[in-house]
Amino acid sequence: SQQGEEDPQALSIQEGENATMNCSYKTSINNLQWYRQNSGRGLVHLILIRSNEREKHSGRLRVTLDTSKKSSSLLITASRAADTASYFCATVTFNDMRFGAGTRLTVKP
Amino acid sequence: EAGVTQFPSHSVIEKGQTVTLRCDPISGHDNLYWYRRVMGKEIKFLLHFVKESKQDESGMPNNRFLAERTGGTYSTLKVQPAELEDSGVYFCASSQVQGGVAEQFFGPGTRLTVL
Repeated sequence: SQQGEEDPQALSIQEGENATMNCSYKTSINNLQWYRQNSGRGLVHLILIRSNEREKHSGRLRVTLDTSKKSSSLLITASRAADTASYFCATVTFNDMRFGAGTRLTVKP
Repeated sequence: EAGVTQFPSHSVIEKGQTVTLRCDPISGHDNLYWYRRVMGKEIKFLLHFVKESKQDESGMPNNRFLAERTGGTYSTLKVQPAELEDSGVYFCASSQVQGGVAEQFFGPGTRLTVL
């Protein structure tokens, strides 16, 4: 069964705005990862946050993890049209990964 | 370093036919995974190989799907006979275990359309 559930399912913003996507899960995890999929292309790994970490940054990306609430958020600051894609969270338990349905982000120029 | 590759990139077949998808993982990666995304839905885990052994195949939908990884290198996923609901994008990923925390590297996927 799937673990991560992203929220919202779709998000449309203007270039320059920030985009926040949330992910909730149900069981204990080792780490949580965020991936991006551009239309017609493969998944690209964005960032990994371990279960003992609370926040992580990578360029314009900021990921938080709240293990007590079993939730994570991905913030993309100063969005660009090129950020338009589907974003997935994936929970990892030992060496097994489970994905959610994803959030479709559209950034309008 | 070459990434995960998948072949073909697209496949269009008729219901009842057979299709075989291939995945070449990153060299040296013992773990190989297959996932499927049906249009608009979640990416769903299908199975996990550790070298040539099936570690977890709980996500395989039915016995029309057969995955193999002979020699622990590349893997194939055969669908026989294909049904309409098998349409989707099939992703392969590989990883090398490092203390139980592993980033998976994904291939570009194979888009399968069953008519």
